Amino acid sequence: GQQLNQSPQSMFIQEGEDVSMNCTSSSIFNTWLWYKQDPGEGPVLLIALYKAGELTSNGRLTAQFGITRKDSFLNISASIPSDVGIYFCAGRPPGGKLIFGQGTELSVKP
Amino acid sequence: KAGVTQTPRYLIKTRGQQVTLSCSPISGHRSVSWYQQTPGQGLQFLFEYFSETQRNKGNFPGRFSGRQFSNSRSEMNVSTLELGDSALYLCASSGGAGGEDGYTFGSGTRLTVV
Repeated sequence: GQQLNQSPQSMFIQEGEDVSMNCTSSSIFNTWLWYKQDPGEGPVLLIALYKAGELTSNGRLTAQFGITRKDSFLNISASIPSDVGIYFCAGRPPGGKLIFGQGTELSVKP
Repeated sequence: KAGVTQTPRYLIKTRGQQVTLSCSPISGHRSVSWYQQTPGQGLQFLFEYFSETQRNKGNFPGRFSGRQFSNSRSEMNVSTLELGDSALYLCASSGGAGGEDGYTFGSGTRLTVV
């Protein structure tokens, strides 16, 4: 079946540093979504992408829908302690179900 | 606008019992998806409903079932519970059948099977 590979699995960074994570799929997607999950809560949608090549920002967050439609990345600039959490990519192929990457656990040292 | 509401938040059940979880989507949303989240397996898709019809189903045994009502509220049922069913069960709602407006998640139901 379809799989999403998300990397890195975890990151330990210093406050103020930039962060980059990405997801790749084995097939074409027509939707890419990026979520953040805090402990004990459901994932919260950060950015939604619906067109190949689309680049979208949400404050310090920027995400892009890859031209091949098989990948996406999320960048966080100037990280702060409240950025700590698990970040998930999710993708949906045409007519298919939304599937999730395994998550990137971000730790930010003040 | 109220978010996605899942009840109950926490549940403890005994092996062999059955359980029903409830999800009320955002008002006006007609699509509801269910996911199981465990530390080792991440977010695994269970099923998706749109206008009371199951549109997609994940690779879970028949003990896992769901349904959607005419008001878009959804329930999922797990029968003959096993220890491995302990997980956070999340539902997400979307306005369109294709998730064009993204998927909004509830806070989940934490199920513990003992």
